[in-house]
Amino acid sequence: NAGVTQTPKFQVLKTGQSMTLQCAQDMNHEYMSWYRQDPGMGLRLIHYSVGAGITDQGEVPNGYNVSRSTTEDFPLRLLSAAPSQTSVYFCASEGGFGQETQYFGPGTRLLVL
Amino acid sequence: RKEVEQDPGPFNVPEGATVAFNCTYSNSASQSFFWYRQDCRKEPKLLMSVYSSGNEDGRFTAQLNRASQYISLLIRDSKLSDSATYLCVVDTGRRALTFGSGTRLQVQP
Repeated sequence: NAGVTQTPKFQVLKTGQSMTLQCAQDMNHEYMSWYRQDPGMGLRLIHYSVGAGITDQGEVPNGYNVSRSTTEDFPLRLLSAAPSQTSVYFCASEGGFGQETQYFGPGTRLLVL
Repeated sequence: RKEVEQDPGPFNVPEGATVAFNCTYSNSASQSFFWYRQDCRKEPKLLMSVYSSGNEDGRFTAQLNRASQYISLLIRDSKLSDSATYLCVVDTGRRALTFGSGTRLQVQP
C-alpha cells in the first residue's frame, strides 16, 4: 500500500493562477480531509469529505474548492492563488468509526508570489 | 480563544530526562483525543490516542481530564530521537480534527 500520496511536492504560482493539488489513498478510507499548516498556527482544516459525493467546509475554506467523485481521490483546487495561500498543504484519510487514526500524505509546499 | 492550546516551547531536556506537556481544549463536546508527532518538514503521525482512564505505550503516558478539559503527555527516559514537535489533537465528532499549534521538544546529548 502506498498509503496517502500527494502531488506535487513543491509548487510556485503567481498571484491569480489556478491549480489543483492532488491527493489519493489506497486504503479504501471513507473520510478524507485537507489541512494547511502555517508557522505557529498548527494545522487548520480546509475541507473534508465523509464519502464519495459528500464534501463539507472546514475552518478556512475560502479560496479553495474540493470534489470527491471516487473514494480514492480528493483533489483541492485553488481558484485564483493569493500570497496568503502560501503554506504547506496536507491531505489525510481515516477509516471511520473504530479506525480513527488519520494518515497524512507527505504534504505539498506551495509558494504564491 | 484557540480551540486547542499548547505551550509552544521549546522544551530543551537532556537525554534520560522526563518531560511533560499539557494541552487544553475549549469544546466540552469533544469526543476523541490524540497526540501526534511531527518531525521537521514532515507529515504528522499518530503517537497515541488518549483515553479517559489514561494509557501508556512504552515510555509514553497520556492522560485526559475531562472536567478540567486538559490532556497531558509524559515522556520518560527521553531519547535523542524523541526530538520533534508534539501536536495535541481533538475530534469534536465532525470527523475532522482540530490541532494545537504544537510543542517543540529538543533532547540534548
